[in-house]
Amino acid sequence: RKEVEQDPGPFNVPEGATVAFNCTYSNSASQSFFWYRQDCRKEPKLLMSVYSSGNEDGRFTAQLNRASQYISLLIRDSKLSDSATYLCVVGRWGKLQFGAGTQVVVTP
Amino acid sequence: EPEVTQTPSHQVTQMGQEVILRCVPISNHLYFYWYRQILGQKVEFLVSFYNNEISEKSEIFDDQFSVERPDGSNFTLKIRSTKLEDSAMYFCASSDGGNNEQFFGPGTRLTVL
Repeated sequence: RKEVEQDPGPFNVPEGATVAFNCTYSNSASQSFFWYRQDCRKEPKLLMSVYSSGNEDGRFTAQLNRASQYISLLIRDSKLSDSATYLCVVGRWGKLQFGAGTQVVVTP
Repeated sequence: EPEVTQTPSHQVTQMGQEVILRCVPISNHLYFYWYRQILGQKVEFLVSFYNNEISEKSEIFDDQFSVERPDGSNFTLKIRSTKLEDSAMYFCASSDGGNNEQFFGPGTRLTVL
């Protein structure tokens, strides 16, 4: 079983719409949880940390469900600039495990 | 805004040659990491480094790999005898805490011929 599993997509989203996707992780002892975004051939850029209480940063909302071992990300009012691959990342003692990413394509 | 920097941006080398990839982490960070991403694949952890020693390393990080913090600002990854399968993007990252957010450099694209 993969450590971090994500739907690869692509999710084709009209500009202004809402898109949501999630990932699952296998190690119940995981300590830290993040969403990163990666543009083609660029470095992963931190989007947000994820907490069990849920957290919001502008148009982005993330949620962690420890019992079910899944992490979600919701993007509201999608912009063209949101087109990217979104990486679900799980950490333990600083070692990050990356999912393969979910591709989001926002169309005009 | 402080950022992680890496040099060179692209390195081409012959199989069997040694390469050194360089990183300058964010200045007040104490935890340093190397990851790699083979084209079309996911990002993979290589090694973590804290207090001048390796904290953890993956199965990929075999005897051909080493890391060093030669001075107060640089953090290097050396591959002693490169193989074709070492061709990948190598990312350096740093953080201010063991489980805190990690910030990534722009990467070095290594091509082994």
